[in-house]
Amino acid sequence: EDKVVQSPLSLVVHEGDTVTLNCSYEVTNFRSLLWYKQEKKAPTFLFMLTSSGIEKKSGRLSSILDKKELFSILNITATQTGDSAVYLCAVNTNAGKSTFGDGTTLTVKP
Amino acid sequence: ETGVTQTPRHLVMGMTNKKSLKCEQHLGHNAMYWYKQSAKKPLELMFVYNFKEQTENNSVPSRFSPECPNSSHLFLHLHTLQPEDSALYLCASRPADSGNTIYFGEGSWLTVV
Repeated sequence: EDKVVQSPLSLVVHEGDTVTLNCSYEVTNFRSLLWYKQEKKAPTFLFMLTSSGIEKKSGRLSSILDKKELFSILNITATQTGDSAVYLCAVNTNAGKSTFGDGTTLTVKP
Repeated sequence: ETGVTQTPRHLVMGMTNKKSLKCEQHLGHNAMYWYKQSAKKPLELMFVYNFKEQTENNSVPSRFSPECPNSSHLFLHLHTLQPEDSALYLCASRPADSGNTIYFGEGSWLTVV
């Protein structure tokens, strides 16, 4: 059975802190790993990772995939209150299946 | 297993066919969603239902028609689709349309030929 596990489940930090969110997976026929930021209704796409060791970066956010150890991390530097959200990790397989983790709830306090 | 079940898991249909995707959850959630996930746009919100009432239609073409007969079931009726509609269609639910974690089904992979 395909599985995606995110940790921690929740995290409270203060503005300016750096956070690292984790996503580990066990799936058959891995295709890609995606990170989303979930606020209100629709999760916002952040990154899609398909190759190991290549860091994807967007502003204060960055992510990297390790296909050997089957995990990915999402880093957020200099956090702001607007970063407060649920961060979702999803893994797609070649069979067209998408498995989501339970998410990490990040709260950034002023 | 998130508790959100989608059927069929895979569907191949011609452009003149009529088919339906089904989503079911018995988690007691009141908000249900249809998303489209394709290579070009990883996740697009299509429809939102709260307490069986459609509260959002994100400019979705009329060839996609949702139906929510009760809080546990959500359908997406498909008619005269185009090849570019081929994608993974994800259903999701959550307790209320709030900041709570959303629970996704495994998706229905649609291929339009």
